[in-house]
Amino acid sequence: AQSVTQLDSQVPVFEEAPVELRCNYSSSVSVYLFWYVQYPNQGLQLLLKYLSGSTLVKGINGFEAEFNKSQTSFHLRKPSVHISDTAEYFCAVSDRGGGFKTIFGAGTRLFVKA
Amino acid sequence: GAVVSQHPSWVICKSGTSVKIECRSLDFQATTMFWYRQFPKQSLMLMATSNEGSKATYEQGVEKDKFLINHASLTLSTLTVTSAHPEDSSFYICSARRPEGEGGWYEQYFGPGTRLTVT
Repeated sequence: AQSVTQLDSQVPVFEEAPVELRCNYSSSVSVYLFWYVQYPNQGLQLLLKYLSGSTLVKGINGFEAEFNKSQTSFHLRKPSVHISDTAEYFCAVSDRGGGFKTIFGAGTRLFVKA
Repeated sequence: GAVVSQHPSWVICKSGTSVKIECRSLDFQATTMFWYRQFPKQSLMLMATSNEGSKATYEQGVEKDKFLINHASLTLSTLTVTSAHPEDSSFYICSARRPEGEGGWYEQYFGPGTRLTVT
């Protein structure tokens, strides 16, 4: 069974400051890792994904994440945030077999202040 | 791109009635679709996985007879909430996946969600 833990429920940060949203996972099988963003009353939009290869993955809107297998982490970072980055961010893990079930973390609310 | 639509975007129904939510993949064929439920300020909870032409696989704790899922074609899955009650009020989101082996098959494409309010 898989699980995903997002360590921070809310992250307030000032505009143009860097931010890191933390995600840890556990799984008994190999997984794919994802970060999604959700704006109010909308579906989810994929920010980035880790499938294999380089552990540093870059996504849209200037976000990047690093896969750390030994620490089972997949933290999301952005060097300089904008007001428009205010949203809910979800870390997710999908098993590589067995139906590709995806489990989501509880979410982190990023609030960018002017 | 890969676009997934949901209809309706919001619906209000009376307690005891049934409501159907449609999920369509507009520009690709989706052999697998997923249905999620999201409570306010909470994460997405997987309700069921549906594969075209076969019965849906429900997650533990999800009532099969209450949440009827039909995946009749490669582009359409429906979720019917039967005999709805106020506690069924929630945001329902579907996602779709391309057939395994196709480009981008590992990615889920999400619909915009349906807000259900049961009065």
